[in-house]
Amino acid sequence: KAGVTQTPRYLIKTRGQQVTLSCSPISGHRSVSWYQQTPGQGLQFLFEYFSETQRNKGNFPGRFSGRQFSNSRSEMNVSTLELGDSALYLCASSSSGGPPYNEQFFGPGTRLTVL
Amino acid sequence: AQKITQTQPGMFVQEKEAVTLDCTYDTSDQSYGLFWYKQPSSGEMIFLIYQGSYDEQNATEGRYSLNFQKARKSANLVISASQLGDSAMYFCAMREGRVETSGSRLTFGEGTQLTVNP
Repeated sequence: KAGVTQTPRYLIKTRGQQVTLSCSPISGHRSVSWYQQTPGQGLQFLFEYFSETQRNKGNFPGRFSGRQFSNSRSEMNVSTLELGDSALYLCASSSSGGPPYNEQFFGPGTRLTVL
Repeated sequence: AQKITQTQPGMFVQEKEAVTLDCTYDTSDQSYGLFWYKQPSSGEMIFLIYQGSYDEQNATEGRYSLNFQKARKSANLVISASQLGDSAMYFCAMREGRVETSGSRLTFGEGTQLTVNP
């Protein structure tokens, strides 16, 4: 089984721009979650999508948004980038909402730098 | 209150020895899951081991075992026979509630940086 893939792996943007990150989950997984990791704040949950619907949302401003497609692939968008948005963005793929409950696998991440 | 607490910012261990990384959690849910991940300097989060709140036995996966003490709300990771490649950041995480109703959201601790010395 192929793992979770994220594109692009690295991204450099300037303040005020917007960015779109992509995540393809493991085949058969219908849940995709997004996390932001920074040295200061650690790992923080952004949102989760399950069957094309947002199921959970973390405490981030509306500049952060996401969506999920019918093939379970997910994108997250950050508009009007700020310096503080520089981070590693991780996507996690998990099973269809039932057992096995232990499947929650991460992709390699997208490292975003905002200049 | 912190939901996941990892009190050891850094740990050192000699190669081939065992090491225990501490994790305590706080939840009022009866159903929850506890995960441990390894994050090398490359950044990828590697799943190590999982313990469900209703699992009666401690989880084991190869050299990894989870010392689950439910009454104390602790879920310590034990790595036996440490290897140089085990040097990395280790995160404890919790999913609260039933997945079917509460989703797959994880709350992470701050991590423990493990260094294995030759």
